[in-house]
Amino acid sequence: DVVMTQTPVSLSVAIGQPASISCKSSQSLVGTSGKTYLNWLLQRPGQSPKRLIYLVSKLDSGIPDRFSGSGSETDFTLKISRVEADDLGVYYCLQGTHFPHTFGAGTKLELK
Amino acid sequence: QIQLVQSGPELKKPGESLKISCKASGYTFTDYAMQWVKQAPGKGLQYMGWINTQTGKPTYADDFKERFVFSLETSASTAYLQINNLKNEDTATYFCARGGYWGQGVMVTVSS
Repeated sequence: DVVMTQTPVSLSVAIGQPASISCKSSQSLVGTSGKTYLNWLLQRPGQSPKRLIYLVSKLDSGIPDRFSGSGSETDFTLKISRVEADDLGVYYCLQGTHFPHTFGAGTKLELK
Repeated sequence: QIQLVQSGPELKKPGESLKISCKASGYTFTDYAMQWVKQAPGKGLQYMGWINTQTGKPTYADDFKERFVFSLETSASTAYLQINNLKNEDTATYFCARGGYWGQGVMVTVSS
């Protein structure tokens, strides 16, 4: 199985400051179609996960452009340009290129 | 709007079985596969597998090849997860998901 190594485990950020989360995969996530199926999800406390980004950098509908995704092959990053109170929760990367799909262990974003 | 609405919480004894439902609305059910994800209490997300909603063919991740059954009722736009011979370690929240859309989750508690 593809191992998704997500760092940091936790992140304490003040409102208005940037945040960055890294996700590294144990093998390339470029699929046979040439697409890279790397997603970022946010799970707020007590809620189901919500997808923020798919195909490395495409924002889901309604997701503010404070969020951005980048990367290629095995190395990916989620950035929040200015953290807001609503951003707290656990962020997961998820690869959908190889079966079984696999998640990172999560990064807990807390407000400083 | 697209929704995945799951059935209610379950409390079961070891050795019993249960069947969770995931009713889809707002799109053509057979156009998209349905995924299943497990989240043990206080833990991260674990991918269980998926079911082809056109053919009904399920594909299970290794940890879920025994005791777990994905099925469909296409006429009702509903996917099901059945867990047989429940064990304490099956205590978790189970999510159905379709692309960027997730159900609200079903909390399953297995206790004698």
